Amino acid sequence: GAVVSQHPSRVICKSGTSVKIECRSLDFQATTMFWYRQFPKQSLMLMATSNEGSKATYEQGVEKDKFLINHASLTLSTLTVTSAHPEDSSFYICSARDTSGKNTGELFFGEGSRLTVL
Amino acid sequence: QKEVEQNSGPLSVPEGAIASLNCTYSDRGSQSFFWYRQYSGKSPELIMFIYSNGDKEDGRFTAQLNKASQYVSLLIRDSQPSDSATYLCAVRTLIKAAGNKLTFGGGTRVLVKP
Repeated sequence: GAVVSQHPSRVICKSGTSVKIECRSLDFQATTMFWYRQFPKQSLMLMATSNEGSKATYEQGVEKDKFLINHASLTLSTLTVTSAHPEDSSFYICSARDTSGKNTGELFFGEGSRLTVL
Repeated sequence: QKEVEQNSGPLSVPEGAIASLNCTYSDRGSQSFFWYRQYSGKSPELIMFIYSNGDKEDGRFTAQLNKASQYVSLLIRDSQPSDSATYLCAVRTLIKAAGNKLTFGGGTRVLVKP
C-alpha cells in the first residue's frame, strides 16, 4: 500500500510557541490531504482538508488562523499550530488518498504526531 | 444523531472465537465503507473496505454491508490477542460542495483474552 510519512512523531513545546507538523506522501502524488485530531479515547475528528495550490477547507469550529495549513506541493502538506496552548495537546494525524488507480482510492494515514503543550 | 455510530465496548472475546462489530450510519448517500484498526498510541491502519451490498472476505476478516438497513459490520474469525485494538468504522459520502468526506465512528475497543 501507499506510504504516508509524518514528522515529528512527538513534540513537546511551551505554551505560546508554534509547532509545525509535516505530512508527506512518499510514493504517490496527493492533491488532497486531510488533517485529523484525536483526543484520548475519542475518535478521529476531521480538522481540515488540504488542497494543493489552494486554500485549505476547514471544518466547522476549527480556527483557520490557529491551525495554518500549507499544501505547497503534491507530496507535502504542513500543519502549523500557532500560539499553542495546553488544550491543543492532542494526537494529530494526516492522511492522503492515492487516486492514481494503484490503491483503489482508500485513505492512508501517517504515523501521527503527538503534541504536548506545557 | 451521530453520523456514524459504533458501540464503544470493550468487546471481550476469548481467543479463537469470533468477534462481531457493528456500525450504523445516517447518510443514505454514503458510498464506501471502511474498517480501520488502531492500536493505542498509533495511527489507524486499513483492514478492509466494501462498496457493495453483501459480504467481503479477506483472510480472517469479513465485512458485511446492508445499505437498506444502513449498517456495516466486521467479523474477526479465530480472534488472536494481537487483534486487541480499537476498530474504527469510516463512511465516505460524496458531497457536491465538500467533495469526498470520510466520517469516522467513535470506535469499538476489542479485547481478546488468551
